[in-house]
Formats: sequence, structure tokens, C-alpha cells
Amino acid sequence: DIQMTQSPSTLSASVGDRVTITCRASQTISSWLAWYQQKSGKAPELLIYQASTLQSGVPSRFSGSGSGTEFTLTISSVQPDDFATYYCQQYNVYWTFGQGTKVEIK
Amino acid sequence: QVTLKESGPALVNPTQTLTLTCTLSGFSLSTSGMRVSWIRQAPGKAPEWLARIDWDENKFYNTSLKTRLTISKDTSKNQVVLTMTNVDPVDTATYYCARTVGVNSHPHHDFWGQGTLVTVSS
Repeated sequence: DIQMTQSPSTLSASVGDRVTITCRASQTISSWLAWYQQKSGKAPELLIYQASTLQSGVPSRFSGSGSGTEFTLTISSVQPDDFATYYCQQYNVYWTFGQGTKVEIK
Repeated sequence: QVTLKESGPALVNPTQTLTLTCTLSGFSLSTSGMRVSWIRQAPGKAPEWLARIDWDENKFYNTSLKTRLTISKDTSKNQVVLTMTNVDPVDTATYYCARTVGVNSHPHHDFWGQGTLVTVSS
């Protein structure tokens, strides 16, 4: 199985900060990586797929990059609605998720 | 618009069989290229993919749960059903269904249902 490791597990930020979350795969997954945002009690929502393609309707302050085994999700200027948990997910071989990164208000 | 809605029992006894239904709206699983997956999330944990069914009846299962899972579809009702046998308290989770789309060899989940919480307890 492909393991996905996110860092950090928790991140404290202020509104307007630039935020970066890292995701590493245990083996190469090309660009078959998605990022999701999950708010408490809600289903995950797709933000980015194929490592860098923004899902329709997602604000442009979200961006993704990387390929192979290392990937990043960047929020260029964190907004109040962005405080949530973020998961990466590989879909090169079936689907596995990272353990999540909680973005908290500083 | 695309929506998915999960339904099923909120409480199941250990060793019993769990049956969950996902009702689709805004798309059809009879359309070429369409797929639906089941994913669960235990409290405070990351999501875990369980199974997938395709428009052409291809089925895929999580290797570690394969012997306990069966996924099927009823195209006339636009529904996908997941059964899990011999449930245990560790199967307590919110169960989601999700539309699975994209490149044939590497599809991803674009829309998720709201989820249904299943508790396994006697």
C-alpha cells in the first residue's frame, strides 16, 4: 500500500497569512494526487486534483504543486472560511489519504 | 446538480451485516465513464477508501476488507449498495459515497454525499 504523510499535523495561522502544507508519498505517484478540505461534521470537499488542477468553483488562493513523491498545497492568503482540516489523497494505486493537517486560527 | 445521499442504519450489532444505500442525483451510473466509491471515516481519523463500482459493472475493493465487502448497483433506481459482513466496533464510522470521475486509469472523487454515521455496538 502507498502511505501518505502530511506535515505539519497542526498549523496556526492568522487571516492573510500564506500557508503551505506538505504531503509525501511512500513511492512515486506521478501527479495522481488530490487535496480536500473538511470542516467539522461535513464531508470532504475536493480542492485540487492531478496535483495542481483547481476544481471548479474553488477560490484561486488555493494552489497545488509537486510530482513524484512530494507535493504541496498553498493558500496564498488565508481567509476565515479556510480554517479546517486538509487531506491529501493519492490515486495512483487505489486511494489512500494522508492523516490530515488542521489549520487553526492563531 | 450532482448530489449523493447515503442511507442506512445508525446502529448495528457486532457480527451483523451492514447494508448502506447511496442514492444518486444529477448523474447516472449507466453513463459511460461514471463510477461511485464508498469511503468511511472513523471519528478523528483520516478517510479510508472501501470499494468502487463502475458503469460497466467493474468492481474494486480495499484489499484489507475485500472478504467482507460487496458493492452493487441498481441502475433503475440510480442507487449503489454496499454490504459489510461481520461488523465490529472498529467499523464505527461515518460512511460516505462519492462520485468517481476523470482519467480512466486514475479517477478521483469529485462530489461526496453528506455521510451517514454508523455505530457498531451491542
